[in-house]
Amino acid sequence: RKEVEQDPGPFNVPEGATVAFNCTYSNSASQSFFWYRQDCRKEPKLLMSVYSSGNEDGRFTAQLNRASQYISLLIRDSKLSDSATYLCVVNIRGGSQGNLIFGKGTKLSVKP
Amino acid sequence: AAGVIQSPRHLIKEKRETATLKCYPIPRHDTVYWYQQGPGQDPQFLISFYEKMQSDKGSIPDRFSAQQFSDYHSELNMSSLELGDSALYFCASSFTNSGNTIYFGEGSWLTVV
Repeated sequence: RKEVEQDPGPFNVPEGATVAFNCTYSNSASQSFFWYRQDCRKEPKLLMSVYSSGNEDGRFTAQLNRASQYISLLIRDSKLSDSATYLCVVNIRGGSQGNLIFGKGTKLSVKP
Repeated sequence: AAGVIQSPRHLIKEKRETATLKCYPIPRHDTVYWYQQGPGQDPQFLISFYEKMQSDKGSIPDRFSAQQFSDYHSELNMSSLELGDSALYFCASSFTNSGNTIYFGEGSWLTVV
């Protein structure tokens, strides 16, 4: 079983739609959680960190459920520019000794 | 703001040759990471350095080695290249005292023919 699992999609949604991505992780010792966005043939870019209390950044809301080892990302009012692959990322050890474990990503395509 | 700089951006090598990728982290960042992303795959962690010492090791083949120098730049050396080594190689850096947010460079495309 992969350490971080995501639905690969693709999610094809119209502009203005609300879309949610889910992610599960297997290592209960995981300390930090992130959503990264990756455009085709580009580097991953941090979208937002994910906190237990949930956090929101404009149209994006991230949630973490440690008991269920589950992370979510909600995108409201989708824009064409949101089309990308969204990577769920977990840091097991945290601190400077950690490394990031990536999910395979969920592809989002927002259509006019 | 300065970002992570990688060079070369594109590299074509033949099988069994050697390649070296360079990475210049964001100034004052104390940790450097190397990732490999094959076509259609997620990034796979290879190795990391904290304050010029190797701090963590992932799925890095024995044919690969890396080091971080006194000026904090890092190099990934790949020998006896195989076709399967063709991938996008990302370097990333972070600073311990700023929440360890990791910033990626634009990557180096390696094609082995």
